[in-house]
Amino acid sequence: GAVVSQHPSWVICKSGTSVKIECRSLDFQATTMFWYRQFPKQSLMLMATSNEGSKATYEQGVEKDKFLINHASLTLSTLTVTSAHPEDSSFYICSARDVATGGEKLFFGSGTQLSVL
Amino acid sequence: AQSVTQPDIHITVSEGASLELRCNYSYGATPYLFWYVQSPGQGLQLLLKYFSGDTLVQGIKGFEAEFKRSQSSFNLRKPSVHWSDAAEYFCAAYTGGFKTIFGAGTRLFVKA
Repeated sequence: GAVVSQHPSWVICKSGTSVKIECRSLDFQATTMFWYRQFPKQSLMLMATSNEGSKATYEQGVEKDKFLINHASLTLSTLTVTSAHPEDSSFYICSARDVATGGEKLFFGSGTQLSVL
Repeated sequence: AQSVTQPDIHITVSEGASLELRCNYSYGATPYLFWYVQSPGQGLQLLLKYFSGDTLVQGIKGFEAEFKRSQSSFNLRKPSVHWSDAAEYFCAAYTGGFKTIFGAGTRLFVKA
């Protein structure tokens, strides 16, 4: 099946620094990728839809200047948490659609646990 | 509004006992339906999906789910639970427009 690789798995950073999270589709081309945030014991909250070669579409309430998304190629999308603060600490998950197989199925990365000190 | 509801926040079953996790959706048409499992600190793994056709679908790890249009439900079942099944389970619906809606999740605890 299609594989989505997310890196890093966990990261600890100081308040005020920026953190980049990568999401790669390893064996398929993903024109659309999604970024989610998950708080403990809660469901996934869609943050933004990342479209290859164009600007990301952010969900209401998500600061686009805070969470920068770049989808420069068909296999890579990155989420950069800029000037991170402790309240940004969360579990971030990416997913991608394999359009070649219909596009309805989502393939998920393994997630990134971000802890901001 | 489109929504996916998982009424049970958590469920505890004994190892070897049967399991049913509930999921209801609210949508004008029949969406594509999915069940995902998430182990702690991990991403989501697809267990099974329903697009059309046979309303009883088989998935991985011995799970199955039944789509009931009259009840707008897509409940997940397993006849005999193993301790390794303890995890968070999410029901999801794809309603087109590249959006997938997730339920709030049900945490499964398995006791020896």
